[in-house]
Amino acid sequence: AQTVTQSQPEMSVQEAETVTLSCTYDTSESDYYLFWYKQPPSRQMILVIRQEAYKQQNATENRFSVNFQKAAKSFSLKISDSQLGDAAMYFCAYRSNAGNNRKLIWGLGTSLAVNP
Amino acid sequence: GAGVSQSPRYKVTKRGQDVTLRCDPISSHATLYWYQQALGQGPEFLTYFNYEAQPDKSGLPSDRFSAERPEGSISTLTIQRTEQRDSAMYRCASSLAPFGNTIYFGEGSWLTVV
Repeated sequence: AQTVTQSQPEMSVQEAETVTLSCTYDTSESDYYLFWYKQPPSRQMILVIRQEAYKQQNATENRFSVNFQKAAKSFSLKISDSQLGDAAMYFCAYRSNAGNNRKLIWGLGTSLAVNP
Repeated sequence: GAGVSQSPRYKVTKRGQDVTLRCDPISSHATLYWYQQALGQGPEFLTYFNYEAQPDKSGLPSDRFSAERPEGSISTLTIQRTEQRDSAMYRCASSLAPFGNTIYFGEGSWLTVV
């Protein structure tokens, strides 16, 4: 069974600085997607960035980028120029891209504080 | 609708009562998911629908939980004989294409069983 591990329950960063959130996963599959979701205090669930396993190029969305290491099964999120609005819980998630088993498998989350 | 809409947003019920939660996905979205998220935890998969079919309900914790999507649009999640351990946020999500990888989440329904 696939698992997702976020080893950092809490992180903090100074405004305008860069922070990296870690995520590792375990799977025997080769075709899958990885996601980072942001959950602010409002408890919405907002997609931050998505990576397809077959794409070697790391995904980037403005200040958010990932370091996808497929062999190491690592999928870290880098937030550059951190802003106060980035403060939230961040979840890493895995999803198979084959068969009928398309559920998202989630890590436990990393709570990010941004200090002014 | 413009987004995934869930109701009620907050529900407090007494142990032993039945509750039904509703999800109205984005119009024409094929796939609809239900997740349960306890406080301080990540979401846990419950079930999903492709249109009105329900290929996977392996995440439903017990036979007290059931979900329907009879016309392939609105879905309901029903919990019978609620227990305190059912207290959680119940999230609905949808995607346009079957198994689409852009998944939109609703704001969730908070259930508290007292």
